[in-house]
Amino acid sequence: AQSVTQLDSHVSVSEGTPVLLRCNYSSSYSPSLFWYVQHPNKGLQLLLKYTSAATLVKGINGFEAEFKKSETSFHLTKPSAHMSDAAEYFCVANAGGTSYGKLTFGQGTILTVHP
Amino acid sequence: GAGVSQSPSNKVTEKGKDVELRCDPISGHTALYWYRQRLGQGLEFLIYFQGNSAPDKSGLPSDRFSAERTGESVSTLTIQRTQQEDSAVYLCASSPRPTDTEAFFGQGTRLTVV
Repeated sequence: AQSVTQLDSHVSVSEGTPVLLRCNYSSSYSPSLFWYVQHPNKGLQLLLKYTSAATLVKGINGFEAEFKKSETSFHLTKPSAHMSDAAEYFCVANAGGTSYGKLTFGQGTILTVHP
Repeated sequence: GAGVSQSPSNKVTEKGKDVELRCDPISGHTALYWYRQRLGQGLEFLIYFQGNSAPDKSGLPSDRFSAERTGESVSTLTIQRTQQEDSAVYLCASSPRPTDTEAFFGQGTRLTVV
């Protein structure tokens, strides 16, 4: 079985400061990992994905994430927050074995950006 | 079409009625997923289709929920005898392969049971 835990339900930052959204996963297999963003009243959009190539993954809008197998983590970061980054972010795992192909979502982290 | 299409976009139904939600995946995508997102909550897995394999129905919350997919095309999610707790946004996604590729999401169907 696989599971995804997003450690913060809400994160609040000031514009121009760094963003850190934390994600831990549990899987018996080497998962593919994704971060999706959902803006209010909009559909889910892929930010970035890890598929066993480079452990540091760069995505759209300046976001990146680092896969750390020893810590079973896949935290999302951005050096400088922008007002347009305010949204809900989901960490997602897609593993093999009995969970083959099944996307497992974390509970989501709401990011608020203050001027 | 270019993306995953879901219909209707909004559905208001009376408690006890049956509803059918439709998903048109991206052409050629073998994997198709249904998720439910209740207000203020994360995405809850419902069912997953992969090609001609038996679907993974492990997320369906009760026997009132069922889903079908014809080959690698359209899928319908049916909720019988709707209850107020069924109110949610139902999201469909498709993917060209089931593991290492991104899933593309539709805009969802907002179901309100009154």
